[in-house]
Amino acid sequence: AQSVTQPDIHITVSEGASLELRCNYSYGATPYLFWYVQSPGQGLQLLLKYFSGDTLVQGIKGFEAEFKRSQSSFNLRKPSVHWSDAAEYFCAVTNRDDKIIFGKGTRLHILP
Amino acid sequence: DTGVSQDPRHKITKRGQNVTFRCDPISEHNRLYWYRQTLGQGPEFLTYFQNEAQLEKSRLLSDRFSAERPKGSFSTLEIQRTEQGDSAMYLCASSLGVVNTIYFGEGSWLTVV
Repeated sequence: AQSVTQPDIHITVSEGASLELRCNYSYGATPYLFWYVQSPGQGLQLLLKYFSGDTLVQGIKGFEAEFKRSQSSFNLRKPSVHWSDAAEYFCAVTNRDDKIIFGKGTRLHILP
Repeated sequence: DTGVSQDPRHKITKRGQNVTFRCDPISEHNRLYWYRQTLGQGPEFLTYFQNEAQLEKSRLLSDRFSAERPKGSFSTLEIQRTEQGDSAMYLCASSLGVVNTIYFGEGSWLTVV
């Protein structure tokens, strides 16, 4: 069955430090991958998506993610985090004609 | 384009009562999705529509839950005989076609007391 694993429930980084959030997926077909961000009490905002082509994708707010088929991973990165990046981040996967499956999320805390 | 809108944003109801949530997708989006999210968890898929056809319904959706999308525009999610375990945020999302960006609404919070 398809699934998404985000191994880190919480991550704390200092403002200005680099960030990497991990995501592993299990999917029988060619995956289409997403990262969403959610602020408390709010809906989900798309950060970036991978459908095909270049495996390094750029998103909004300075985020990027790299698709590695051999590792079934789609890790999210940012070179320098800002206090406003504190939120919950969700990795998600789908393929043609299917619904999106989400991971359980990683809550990002930023130290001043 | 006003985005996906959901109504009401918050609902408190007594156990055993029925509640209905409405979702208005982005205009011309033919796919509409319902998800449920509890604190500390990711969104869980409930059901989705392509136009007015309900394509899939999760096993999470008991018989007390029903969703409709008449005329392929707005959608309603009704929960009958609510239970405390139904307390969650119900998220609606829409997209244009398959394998395209899915846009989420702000969610409808349900508290069953």
